[in-house]
Amino acid sequence: ILNVEQSPQSLHVQEGDSTNFTCSFPSSNFYALHWYRWETAKSPEALFVMTLNGDEKKKGRISATLNTKEGYSYLYIKGSQPEDSATYLCAYRSGGGADGLTFGKGTHLIIQP
Amino acid sequence: NAGVMQNPRHLVRRRGQEARLRCSPMKGHSHVYWYRQLPEEGLKFMVYLQKENIIDESGMPKERFSAEFPKEGPSILRIQQVVRGDSAAYFCASSQDRGSPLHFGNGTRLTVT
Repeated sequence: ILNVEQSPQSLHVQEGDSTNFTCSFPSSNFYALHWYRWETAKSPEALFVMTLNGDEKKKGRISATLNTKEGYSYLYIKGSQPEDSATYLCAYRSGGGADGLTFGKGTHLIIQP
Repeated sequence: NAGVMQNPRHLVRRRGQEARLRCSPMKGHSHVYWYRQLPEEGLKFMVYLQKENIIDESGMPKERFSAEFPKEGPSILRIQQVVRGDSAAYFCASSQDRGSPLHFGNGTRLTVT
């Protein structure tokens, strides 16, 4: 059983503040780490797919880093806006890509105006 | 380009009946994944298929559950002799290859009465 842990479970942030949260995963047999954003009443949407140790990806105000040796990834949101309110999921893939993608339980982010 | 299509959106079955959930991947995608979401839980991996082949079924219950992705037509998740504990939202996702992000359908909510 693969353990993908996300923290914190939920987070309240004031509009305009920056924030970050963590995903930890097994450091052995790594293939890829995904981040998804899941808004209420919608389906999850991909933010990033990261494969290389030290990778850093950016999409607008959202960025992510990856450390495969120690088994963690951070997601950062700069200058939070109300539309950033969502659950952010990370997902880990091992086994040369032959394994299915294992999701963490997510960080539920609420941006307060 | 139509996204991942799941049907039905809602399915009600009595205990002991069979449930068949359908998933048509995005055009050009040959990899399909099925996930189950229980209340207060995240997305639990069930099975990963690539046209006509089951690649990883480590998350599938040993009995009553089966999945297929035929050469022609949608992927089917089949649950025989449903029980109340099978009530959940079932999400399908597809990807172009193992390195690509997943695209999710809107889910099928199964209710067993």
